[in-house]
Amino acid sequence: GQQLNQSPQSMFIQEGEDVSMNCTSSSIFNTWLWYKQDPGEGPVLLIALYKAGELTSNGRLTAQFGITRKDSFLNISASIPSDVGIYFCAGPGTYKYIFGTGTRLKVLA
Amino acid sequence: KAGVTQTPRYLIKTRGQQVTLSCSPISGHRSVSWYQQTPGQGLQFLFEYFSETQRNKGNFPGRFSGRQFSNSRSEMNVSTLELGDSALYLCASSSWTGTYEQYFGPGTRLTVT
Repeated sequence: GQQLNQSPQSMFIQEGEDVSMNCTSSSIFNTWLWYKQDPGEGPVLLIALYKAGELTSNGRLTAQFGITRKDSFLNISASIPSDVGIYFCAGPGTYKYIFGTGTRLKVLA
Repeated sequence: KAGVTQTPRYLIKTRGQQVTLSCSPISGHRSVSWYQQTPGQGLQFLFEYFSETQRNKGNFPGRFSGRQFSNSRSEMNVSTLELGDSALYLCASSSWTGTYEQYFGPGTRLTVT
């Protein structure tokens, strides 16, 4: 079945640094969703991507399709301590959403 | 617009008991999905309901069941609880019409002792 692979699995960064993570699929998605999850809470939708070739932003977050539409990228600029958490990508399948394995972000103050 | 709500937020049950979790989707959303999340396992899809019909089901035993009511509210039930059922249970709603954004509730933390 479809699966999404995220990389890196985890990363430590210094506060103020820019962060980049990606998600790859075995098939094309016309929509990509990016979520952030804090411990013990439900994932929060950060960005929904619908248009290939365009950057979609939400504050310091920017996301875009990859060239093949089988991948997507999320960038966080000037990271702050509250960016800590797990970031998931997702795409709509047949009456279900396919989720990535997550990227755990840890920020060093 | 109110977000997805789940009740209860926390629950402690004993092995062998059963439990019912409730989810109220965002107003206007007719699709409700349920997920189980355990440490290191990511989000495991349980089932999806749309207009009271289960359209998709994940790979879970029959002890896990759900239903959706005419107002789109949904419940999931787990019978004969096992220790391994301890997890964060997440509900999410979406419209599946035009846009494909899915929004999650805060989750129900179930602990089975």
